[in-house]
Amino acid sequence: GAVVSQHPSRVICKSGTSVKIECRSLDFQATTMFWYRQFPKKSLMLMATSNEGSKATYEQGVEKDKFLINHASLTLSTLTVTSAHPEDSSFYICSATDRDRPYGYTFGSGTRLTVV
Amino acid sequence: GQNIDQPTEMTATEGAIVQINCTYQTSGFNGLFWYQQHAGEAPTFLSYNVLDGLEEKGRFSSFLSRSKGYSYLLLKELQMKDSASYLCAVRGNAGKSTFGDGTTLTVKP
Repeated sequence: GAVVSQHPSRVICKSGTSVKIECRSLDFQATTMFWYRQFPKKSLMLMATSNEGSKATYEQGVEKDKFLINHASLTLSTLTVTSAHPEDSSFYICSATDRDRPYGYTFGSGTRLTVV
Repeated sequence: GQNIDQPTEMTATEGAIVQINCTYQTSGFNGLFWYQQHAGEAPTFLSYNVLDGLEEKGRFSSFLSRSKGYSYLLLKELQMKDSASYLCAVRGNAGKSTFGDGTTLTVKP
């Protein structure tokens, strides 16, 4: 089955630093990747949609300069949280899909980011 | 826009059957998903409905009525490991999905 690998699973960083989260599709070509953020006991909030080779489409209220998304290849998308602040602490999850699977949302394992 | 409603919490007994409802109002509809999420983990896919009717997969079944904007997830023969959050998500236009806030199911012995 389709597998999406997400790294790191946990990261602690200092305020003001940047953190990069990687999301890789291991056995399929991810034409589209989605990045979500999840607060405790809340559902997933879509941050942005990225298509391979093009700029990401950000949801309203999400700062594109703060959350940099790169989808340079069909198997890799990265989310970089720049100049992190404690309020950026959250659970970040990617999901990937390809055009050949009608319900092809496969989620990565998530990244727990803590900014201190 | 999208609006998805599901109960916040439910409790059921091991071995019983539980039905988790989901209602939605969306500007576009290209399928409804159910996911299971254990605390601290990513969601895992349970079911997908795009046509009206019941989809059965082992102990789990999912039903959809597009005219009513309604779906339910049915869990049979509940096990303790079924204690988790269950997320209803609707895929709208451009392939984007909107998630409900999830239903936390607690299975008691």
